[in-house]
Amino acid sequence: GNSVTQMEGPVTLSEEAFLTINCTYTATGYPSLFWYVQYPGEGLQLLLKATKADDKGSNKGFEATYRKETTSFHLEKGSVQVSDSAVYFCALKGSARQLTFGSGTQLTVLP
Amino acid sequence: KAGVTQTPRYLIKTRGQQVTLSCSPISGHRSVSWYQQTPGQGLQFLFEYFSETQRNKGNFPGRFSGRQFSNSRSEMNVSTLELGDSALYLCASRVGLAGEASEQFFGPGTRLTVL
Repeated sequence: GNSVTQMEGPVTLSEEAFLTINCTYTATGYPSLFWYVQYPGEGLQLLLKATKADDKGSNKGFEATYRKETTSFHLEKGSVQVSDSAVYFCALKGSARQLTFGSGTQLTVLP
Repeated sequence: KAGVTQTPRYLIKTRGQQVTLSCSPISGHRSVSWYQQTPGQGLQFLFEYFSETQRNKGNFPGRFSGRQFSNSRSEMNVSTLELGDSALYLCASRVGLAGEASEQFFGPGTRLTVL
């Protein structure tokens, strides 16, 4: 079946540091890949997505590239802000059209 | 346009009771999915309804059930509550089931605590 493995947290960075959260997946066929963000006390918000190999999703300074050869979809941001503190989830949607999530990575950005 | 709304936001129940959670999707969205979020198991898919029919089901016991009404609103029911059912239950809606229309929008969740 489908599965998503993402970097264990928590991750603590200083403001303006570079962020990478690793995500790898196992799936049959050609899944779509997503990053969701969850702020304290809220539901999930779609951050970015990619629907085919070599696609790059980007939003709010975050980027991730769909790498089929390494089955990866790592999340990056060049300069994090305190307001980026949240839990980040990598997810895939396969042929069953339902989302399979990774375990989530807690990010804390210190001023 | 209003987002996905879930009621109640917080709920405390005791073991053996049953509970019903409600989800109102974004206007025009016909699909509603439910997820359970716990620290130990993460986010797990429960089921999805589209046009009042269950289209997909996760690996949960029969104590977990749901339904969808003609206005696309959905309810989720958990009977004979166990301590392990304590979780954040998230509802997500989308326009349809396939293609770009299938992006899911999540509600804020219902926090269920079972004592």
